[in-house]
Amino acid sequence: DQQVKQNSPSLSVQEGRISILNCDYTNSMFDYFLWYKKYPAEGPTFLISISSIKDKNEDGRFTVFLNKSAKHLSLHIVPSQPGDSAVYFCAASVLGGGSQGNLIFGKGTKLSVKP
Amino acid sequence: SAVISQKPSRDICQRGTSLTIQCQVDSQVTMMFWYRQQPGQSLTLIATANQGSEATYESGFVIDKFPISRPNLTFSTLTVSNMSPEDSSIYLCSVRDNWNQPQHFGDGTRLSIL
Repeated sequence: DQQVKQNSPSLSVQEGRISILNCDYTNSMFDYFLWYKKYPAEGPTFLISISSIKDKNEDGRFTVFLNKSAKHLSLHIVPSQPGDSAVYFCAASVLGGGSQGNLIFGKGTKLSVKP
Repeated sequence: SAVISQKPSRDICQRGTSLTIQCQVDSQVTMMFWYRQQPGQSLTLIATANQGSEATYESGFVIDKFPISRPNLTFSTLTVSNMSPEDSSIYLCSVRDNWNQPQHFGDGTRLSIL
């Protein structure tokens, strides 16, 4: 039973346009959410996070939106650049430690930004 | 964030053999974890490496198959024992200082078993 779902395995976007990557979760206890970017032959790199007390967090071109009632979060990249082409993983956990604090990952969405 | 070095970066092994993967961090960290990423799948937590005591394994992973050591706050090893082709994966070391901070990952070890 997947607790974190990324239903789009791939996404293709034109350079300069907005990329929107989506993530759904089923566990209502999750209160800390993260996005990671992964290039081939490298480990995942932390991008941005959000806790459940917020509904939006912004860092430069990256914004994460959280809709707790829908158990849905999204990552917006504006404007998209060819260097953003990578696999993006959504992850969730419960703040406060213990085994519930372990990150649960989605399967990832491969973003391709075309020049 | 901490710099995480994993060795080896890749290996091709014969079935039935064992391989030990090393993870070295350039600073002391509270928590260290080992993950597996099978082809086309998400990252799955194998275990939490505890300093000076036995690792805490997730459901589906056992110490006999994946023994882990963590002698200090900057180093850990994961051994994949008695390997079979199903163990072909990327194995990743990850660190975290506390529960409300993001985790950071090494570049992984790409393991293929023939």
